[in-house]
Amino acid sequence: QPVLTQSPSASASLGASVKLTCTVSSGHTEAIAWHQQQPEKGPRYLIKVHSDGSHIKGDGIPDRFSGSSSGAERYLTISSLQSEDEADYYCQTWGTGLVVFGGGTKLTVL
Amino acid sequence: EVQLVESGGTLVQPGGSLRLSCAASGFTFSAYEMNWVRQAPGKGLEWVSYISSSDHTIYYADSVKGRFTISRDNAKNSLYLQMNSLRAEDTSIYYCARSASSGIAFDIWGQGTMVTVSS
Repeated sequence: QPVLTQSPSASASLGASVKLTCTVSSGHTEAIAWHQQQPEKGPRYLIKVHSDGSHIKGDGIPDRFSGSSSGAERYLTISSLQSEDEADYYCQTWGTGLVVFGGGTKLTVL
Repeated sequence: EVQLVESGGTLVQPGGSLRLSCAASGFTFSAYEMNWVRQAPGKGLEWVSYISSSDHTIYYADSVKGRFTISRDNAKNSLYLQMNSLRAEDTSIYYCARSASSGIAFDIWGQGTMVTVSS
């Protein structure tokens, strides 16, 4: 089954860009999805990133959010950071008969 | 508006049972696969269960297998989670989530309902 690994935390300044990483365990080439969870809210789907770097965003997701891929790593890049981007970000994919989430990255906007 | 609204969460004693509901609106519920995901206080997201659009295929996380049962009523646009033999470690916010028709992603999430298992 795939294992998704994320750094526990990241930080970047207001107006800057940040690139979050989700590493897919070896032998698995799945696409992954990124979800955002703002404080005290439910998760929100952001974007699906394929192994070839192509991506599909959810409805209403700003252009500031984009996805890319390199080898086993799937990225979420947020540009022009805003205060409301301070949130937890989770990657997610499917294994055989189960769903896997990464441990999440807490993004702090400085 | 596409929406999922969970209900049924409450305080329950260890060993007790509870049934959660998720009401769907704004889309053709019967065409979509659905899931339950939970989040313990201060922790990350944990997938709980999946059901196919016609309920022919069902999956459970090992942590709930044999205790929880997922079901759906397409005529009522509703998803359910029957939880039996509840344990303290089942204390979580429970979210229902729609699987995107393109696969992989959960593209619509509810706001969640809190289940607390405590004596």
